[in-house]
Parts: sequence; structure tokens; C-alpha cells
Amino acid sequence: GQQVMQIPQYQHVQEGEDFTTYCNSSTTLSNIQWYKQRPGGHPVFLIQLVKSGEVKKQKRLTFQFGEAKKNSSLHITATQTTDVGTYFCAEYNYGQNFVFGPGTRLSVLP
Amino acid sequence: DTGVSQDPRHKITKRGQNVTFRCDPISEHNRLYWYRQTLGQGPEFLTYFQNEAQLEKSRLLSDRFSAERPKGSFSTLEIQRTEQGDSAMYLCASSRQLQETQYFGPGTRLLVL
Repeated sequence: GQQVMQIPQYQHVQEGEDFTTYCNSSTTLSNIQWYKQRPGGHPVFLIQLVKSGEVKKQKRLTFQFGEAKKNSSLHITATQTTDVGTYFCAEYNYGQNFVFGPGTRLSVLP
Repeated sequence: DTGVSQDPRHKITKRGQNVTFRCDPISEHNRLYWYRQTLGQGPEFLTYFQNEAQLEKSRLLSDRFSAERPKGSFSTLEIQRTEQGDSAMYLCASSRQLQETQYFGPGTRLLVL
């Protein structure tokens, strides 16, 4: 079946450092979504990527979709304490609905 | 607040009891999803509805789980004869169309003793 892998599982950074999480799939994807879940909260949608090689930016966040549409990344520049949380990628493939990765838990030390 | 709401927010029950959770999606959303999330894991898909029709169920969903969306608005998820392994956060999400943004509710945290 469809599998979603995310690395790293945990990341501890000093405030101001950059952070990147990677999402890899065993299959070619039609699209990919990224979500953020704060401690004790629920997942909140960040962005959706659809096109091969697509790059989207939201302030300090940069999202990329791989050329082969099998991987994606989320990069945060100059992390802040408000960036703390778990970042999930979610993949949609026809007939299999949404499959969430295990997430990358980000800690930011002030 | 016109977001997704879930009730109750917390539920403690004894093993073998039945529990029912409710989800009220965003009003114009015709798709409604149920997920289960355990500590340190991503949301795990359980089932989804388009309007009142239940279109897909996870193969991981045992016969003790049933979901309904009778009028295409709110949905209920029932777990019969609960087991300790059912302890988890049960999340509901809604969206307007397939593959569109999913808006999650706050979840119902279930603890089975």
C-alpha cells in the first residue's frame, strides 16, 4: 500500500536557525498537502502543491514538490518559537484518500 | 465561530462500553472525514462521506466502528464494545471538494480504561 515517510522524526533548533523536513512517497502523487499541529492542537492546513517542481512561499516558509512528484520539502528560514509544532505532509492518491506522514516534531530553543 | 466542531472534547469510558462522537462540519462543505491519531503519529484515515453517502472506509476499521451522516450535515462515529487499543484522539475534518483543503475540528480524546 501507499507509504509516506518523513525525516527527520525530531528536530531541535536554536531560534534563528533554519529547519527543513522532507516527505517521501513510494508512489507518484497527484498532489501533496502540508499541515502544522501545535502541541495539544489539531492539524491546520498550510499549503497544497500540485505541479511537478512547484515551489511556493509563505513568509519564512518555502514548500517544494519534487520533479518526479514523489517527494516534497518544507523549509523554514530563521525559526521562531511560534514555529514549534509537528509538521505533517499528507498525500492524496486516487482511490486511497489522504495518507498522512508520521510528522516531524520541531522544537525551537529561545 | 464557523469552524468544524466536535463533541465531546474528552471521553473516558470503561472497556466494553459503547461511545458515540459527533462532528459538525463547516456548513457549505460536502465532504467529511474521520481520522484517528495516537501519540506521536499522524492522523490515520478511518472513513469519509460525500454528503450523506459513505464513500470509503479504511481496511483498518473494524466492525465495531460505524459512522453516519444521515442528512449530509453533521456526522456521528460510534465505537461498540470499546477496547483499550481504541484510546486515541478522534479527529473530524471537512472540505468543499475532493483534494481541497481539509479543516480539522479540535478532536475528541477517548480514554478506554
